[in-house]
Amino acid sequence: GQSLEQPSEVTAVEGAIVQINCTYQTSGFNGLFWYQQHAGEAPTFLSYNVLDGLEEKGRFSSFLSRSKGYSYLPLKELQMKDSASYFCAVSQGGKLIFGQGTELSVKP
Amino acid sequence: NAGVTQTPKFRVLKTGQSMTLLCAQDMNHEYMYWYRQDPGMGLRLIHYSVGEGTTAKGEVPDGYNVSRLKKQNFLLGLESAAPSQTSVYFCASSYSSDTGELFFGEGSRLTVL
Repeated sequence: GQSLEQPSEVTAVEGAIVQINCTYQTSGFNGLFWYQQHAGEAPTFLSYNVLDGLEEKGRFSSFLSRSKGYSYLPLKELQMKDSASYFCAVSQGGKLIFGQGTELSVKP
Repeated sequence: NAGVTQTPKFRVLKTGQSMTLLCAQDMNHEYMYWYRQDPGMGLRLIHYSVGEGTTAKGEVPDGYNVSRLKKQNFLLGLESAAPSQTSVYFCASSYSSDTGELFFGEGSRLTVL
């Protein structure tokens, strides 16, 4: 099965750099995904990794280390609009299982 | 483009009533999913489908049934609603479960009194 752990809350100031972490204990997965969800809206896809390393996708990159069992989403030059919940998720056998999410609050 | 459409957007039920949530996608996706989201619980997979005519259980399937008679539609049924099923329900679809992103509907807020 899958067990994904994320910090429940992260607070940072506008313009700063923050890293949202996701650690996992799983018997195997095909890909690790990151989603963003603003309050009252549906989740939207940000990035995903199949191989280890940094996957760069515009403003939202993501890093995966299968050997160490973690992934992270680095957010640079934070903007107020980045205040949202961020979820990691793993795909296995046709289904996508989500972590409980990290609520990011960006302060002025 | 409509993408993924869920109906209804809001519904209030009494305990014991039944209802069906409809999800429709116009992207010709094979995979479709139903999730529920509760405060502090993230997104939990109820049921999913890997193609027309197929369904499978997710993490929290009890109290729900689904059907995928047509490729573009995925129905979620509550046979006898309970207050514990008060939640926001999201439908999603994807062309690939392993490398394809999920496209979500806007969500359906269900309250069971």
